[in-house]
Amino acid sequence: DGGITQSPKYLFRKEGQNVTLSCEQNLNHDAMYWYRQDPGQGLRLIYYSQIVNDFQKGDIAEGYSVSREKKESFPLTVTSAQKNPTAFYLCASRSTGSEQFFGPGTRLTVL
Amino acid sequence: AQSVTQLGSHVSVSEGALVLLRCNYSSSVPPYLFWYVQYPNQGLQLLLKYTTGATLVKGINGFEAEFKKSETSFHLTKPSAHMSDAAEYFCAVSPSGSARQLTFGSGTQLTVLP
Repeated sequence: DGGITQSPKYLFRKEGQNVTLSCEQNLNHDAMYWYRQDPGQGLRLIYYSQIVNDFQKGDIAEGYSVSREKKESFPLTVTSAQKNPTAFYLCASRSTGSEQFFGPGTRLTVL
Repeated sequence: AQSVTQLGSHVSVSEGALVLLRCNYSSSVPPYLFWYVQYPNQGLQLLLKYTTGATLVKGINGFEAEFKKSETSFHLTKPSAHMSDAAEYFCAVSPSGSARQLTFGSGTQLTVLP
């Protein structure tokens, strides 16, 4: 079955640690996205990539980094520079002319 | 800049009653508009979308929405609510006439009362 997978579903991090969230898609989509979701604030764009080896900052990129070495994969690293990382993180992908499809999300909690 | 306003962060309806979730947008170009649904601790699922053509759009699970350019609105409706409709609903607008970048509203939590 085609789709988007995110792992892990739940992630716990100690302050000062970097963590990497995985996002994989087998939909053959060119574009991939990372969003952060906080209660009452909807979704905010962190980073997006239109093509392999290229990505752009979204509205709230500070404290985050990404890579796009393969079409199928778009991992997000939450660095220690992100002061308030506890949130629900959603990955999405899109092919030209289509809507965005979302993965099941990763809930990150800083202890 | 694009923006989306969803009026009412929480809406409650009785089972069998009309569901109306409001969405207003601002866009400097003809918009693409979307409604997504999110169940607890899950990703977003597309309910329906407006790109061009017919302004009344039908989606999954009996939902529909009407694009009203003069009112800059894209309200979501369903004639009869089911318990399974309880979820959070997000309206989104694409700023460039495609789904390349989405701006989301803050969401409306729908509660369905027995």
